[in-house]
Amino acid sequence: AQSVTQPDIHITVSEGASLELRCNYSYGATPYLFWYVQSPGQGLQLLLKYFSGDTLVQGIKGFEAEFKRSQSSFNLRKPSVHWSDAAEYFCAVGRNNNDMRFGAGTRLTVKP
Amino acid sequence: EADIYQTPRYLVIGTGKKITLECSQTMGHDKMYWYQQDPGMELHLIHYSYGVNSTEKGDLSSESTVSRIRTEHFPLTLESARPSHTSQYLCASSEFGGGASYEQYFGPGTRLTVT
Repeated sequence: AQSVTQPDIHITVSEGASLELRCNYSYGATPYLFWYVQSPGQGLQLLLKYFSGDTLVQGIKGFEAEFKRSQSSFNLRKPSVHWSDAAEYFCAVGRNNNDMRFGAGTRLTVKP
Repeated sequence: EADIYQTPRYLVIGTGKKITLECSQTMGHDKMYWYQQDPGMELHLIHYSYGVNSTEKGDLSSESTVSRIRTEHFPLTLESARPSHTSQYLCASSEFGGGASYEQYFGPGTRLTVT
């Protein structure tokens, strides 16, 4: 069965510190992989996506993610977190938009 | 910037009432989706549409219904609201084709509370 696991429900980092959010998936074939961000009271916004090719993908707002096939992981990283990055982050996998699987989300708090 | 709108943003309603959650997009997207989002849980697809007069059920069983009479409009209706329907409902849209290669654009959501 297809599934997405985000092991960390809540992460707190200091402003300026580096960030890594974890995502593991279970899927029959190599899926398309996505990270979305949701700010309070807003819908989800796409940060980045991986379809094929270079396993390190760059996204908006200074985020990047690395696909590791052997670990079935697609972790999101940012070298220096800004206070405006506080939000909820969702990993998603799928081959079609009507079979996407979303993780339960990781809530990021940024300390001043 | 995504041009997808949902109304109302917040709704508190009594058990047994009929409600319609509105979703409109101005991007001309053929595909539209409704997701249910609960705290600490993954998003679940409850309905989607490939275009006008097309509606399909998603992976999560839902007592709601949808219609797609116009490309830009994809309302969701609950004939008789119950407390178990309390949740956040997110609408999204995307271009048609290419599997998941086309980005989904999400509206801000409707937070529904049934008392």
